[in-house]
Amino acid sequence: AQSVTQLGSHVSVSEGALVLLRCNYSSSVPPYLFWYVQYPNQGLQLLLKYTTGATLVKGINGFEAEFKKSETSFHLTKPSAHMSDAAEYFCAVSEALSTGGFKTIFGAGTRLFVKA
Amino acid sequence: EPEVTQTPSHQVTQMGQEVILRCVPISNHLYFYWYRQILGQKVEFLVSFYNNEISEKSEIFDDQFSVERPDGSNFTLKIRSTKLEDSAMYFCASKPRWALTKANSPLHFGNGTRLTVT
Repeated sequence: AQSVTQLGSHVSVSEGALVLLRCNYSSSVPPYLFWYVQYPNQGLQLLLKYTTGATLVKGINGFEAEFKKSETSFHLTKPSAHMSDAAEYFCAVSEALSTGGFKTIFGAGTRLFVKA
Repeated sequence: EPEVTQTPSHQVTQMGQEVILRCVPISNHLYFYWYRQILGQKVEFLVSFYNNEISEKSEIFDDQFSVERPDGSNFTLKIRSTKLEDSAMYFCASKPRWALTKANSPLHFGNGTRLTVT
């Protein structure tokens, strides 16, 4: 079974500072990885996804993530945090179903706080 | 942009009561999912549904749970006899037709139903 581990349930940064949210994956096959964001009282929205090809993936709102196979990591970064980035962020991996299709496995989430 | 809609946004029920959570997936989507998120915990997979049948379910999805697509547009999750530990946010999600063979297809989530069991 595939899984993702997010290091740090809470991360706090100052506005304008670098955002780094960590995710490590476990997969016996080439992984398909995602980052989702959840704003208060809303569902999850896709931030970015990695399939194959370029290891640096750019997403919405200035976020990007780098796939590093040697480190089994897919950390999410943003050069300069904005107050509106405060949310919960979930790393996720796609797992094949025996009946066809795929399901998404989520990490525990990291809550990002942005201080003024 | 099409959205997944869930109703109600918040439901309070007494322990032992039946609840039905409703979802209207995006109209041309064919794959449907329920996830739940207990307060402060991870988003957990409950069940996937395709071609009018369950394609996979998790250990959480026991005999107290059932899903149905009664009319070709709604997708419901029923909990027959709620327990206190069923209190959580329940998310419906869907994927389009082409997603069957695409591991990189993202989920489209609704805003969730917060279920509180007292």
